Amino acid sequence: AQSVTQPDIHITVSEGASLELRCNYSYGATPYLFWYVQSPGQGLQLLLKYFSGDTLVQGIKGFEAEFKRSQSSFNLRKPSVHWSDAAEYFCAVADLTNAGKSTFGDGTTLTVKP
Amino acid sequence: DAGVIQSPRHEVTEMGQEVTLRCKPISGHNSLFWYRQTMMRGLELLIYFNNNVPIDDSGMPEDRFSAKMPNASFSTLKIQPSEPRDSAVYFCASSPQGQPQHFGDGTRLSIL
Repeated sequence: AQSVTQPDIHITVSEGASLELRCNYSYGATPYLFWYVQSPGQGLQLLLKYFSGDTLVQGIKGFEAEFKRSQSSFNLRKPSVHWSDAAEYFCAVADLTNAGKSTFGDGTTLTVKP
Repeated sequence: DAGVIQSPRHEVTEMGQEVTLRCKPISGHNSLFWYRQTMMRGLELLIYFNNNVPIDDSGMPEDRFSAKMPNASFSTLKIQPSEPRDSAVYFCASSPQGQPQHFGDGTRLSIL
């Protein structure tokens, strides 16, 4: 069965500092991986996705993620964090043979210090 | 483009009452998902549909919960009777086949 682990429940970074959120997955075939962001009171918004090809994918809001098959990881990065990036971030892996059912990690809450 | 539309945005009702949550997926999306989010349990998949057919309802917590998708543009999640522990934010999401899900803004449900 597929699973996603986000080891960090909560991360605090200073505004302007770099950010890396960790995600490890378990999936039997080629994974389809996503990062979503959730701001308070809102639904989840897709940041970026990996299906195949270049293992470094670019997303919205200046985020990028790198797929590393050998490490079963799909970490999210941003070189310089803005206060508006404070939110909860979810990593997910999708089973596209099963109507696209996605398994989500438990999320990482990002706090940005001024 | 109109996203996934959920109604109501907020619902407060007394325990024992029937609650109906509604979702309009994005046109052309053939998969629809219902989730529940709480602080304690995080994001839980309740049920999902493909081409209006329920595929997996193993996440539905109890028989008090039911979901329907009578056509491609509408789905409901019903709780009858409701209990305080059902208080949560309920999300609907839709996706085209093999693509990421698009989420609605959720229904914040409070059962008193």
